[in-house]
Amino acid sequence: DAKTTQPPSMDCAEGRAANLPCNHSTISGNEYVYWYRQIHSQGPQYIIHGLKNNETNEMASLIITEDRKSSTLILPHATLRDTAVYYCIVKNQGGKLIFGQGTELSVKP
Amino acid sequence: DAGVTQSPTHLIKTRGQQVTLRCSPKSGHDTVSWYQQALGQGPQFIFQYYEEEERQRGNFPDRFSGHQFPNYSSELNVNALLLGDSALYLCASSGYPVSSTNEKLFFGSGTQLSVL
Repeated sequence: DAKTTQPPSMDCAEGRAANLPCNHSTISGNEYVYWYRQIHSQGPQYIIHGLKNNETNEMASLIITEDRKSSTLILPHATLRDTAVYYCIVKNQGGKLIFGQGTELSVKP
Repeated sequence: DAGVTQSPTHLIKTRGQQVTLRCSPKSGHDTVSWYQQALGQGPQFIFQYYEEEERQRGNFPDRFSGHQFPNYSSELNVNALLLGDSALYLCASSGYPVSSTNEKLFFGSGTQLSVL
């Protein structure tokens, strides 16, 4: 499974969009990009995933570059409850979910 | 609809002892994965069970073993506990067979194991 690189921490003002970047330059053609987040003292929570096209659901949007070497998770209107560690993971179908260090997002009033 | 449930929530053991952690998957899920999360680190994959068999395994010693029951619930057993086994142990469930849409993992809140 390809490795990912994420900034260790980011801040975002409440109500503004949070844009979390992820580099995955060695991603293979059959590998998906997954995003999970972990709020303190809880298990990780699935957010979104995609292969090539941009994806949107009720929680977030995922923008994948055309060469698939990087992606951005967008929380359109961040709230204090979005403060968490966000993990970007690339994996193929049936592969293990390998977590890195993630990005610690702090949403501030 | 109950999500993934784990028991106990907290556990204290001493070095050399054995421990069993339990997990009930989300309703409708038949695949269970176990993860270990040390303080300040991301979760590390231990193994995955489907149809009562271990299907994939991470880089963990044989002291870590598991079991899946016909009702899809699962146990994680750790023998000869070491201080370094102190961690949050997470259980996650998903559907099978694998496809892009049913590969989402649903995690429980974990069991916090402290080894003294």
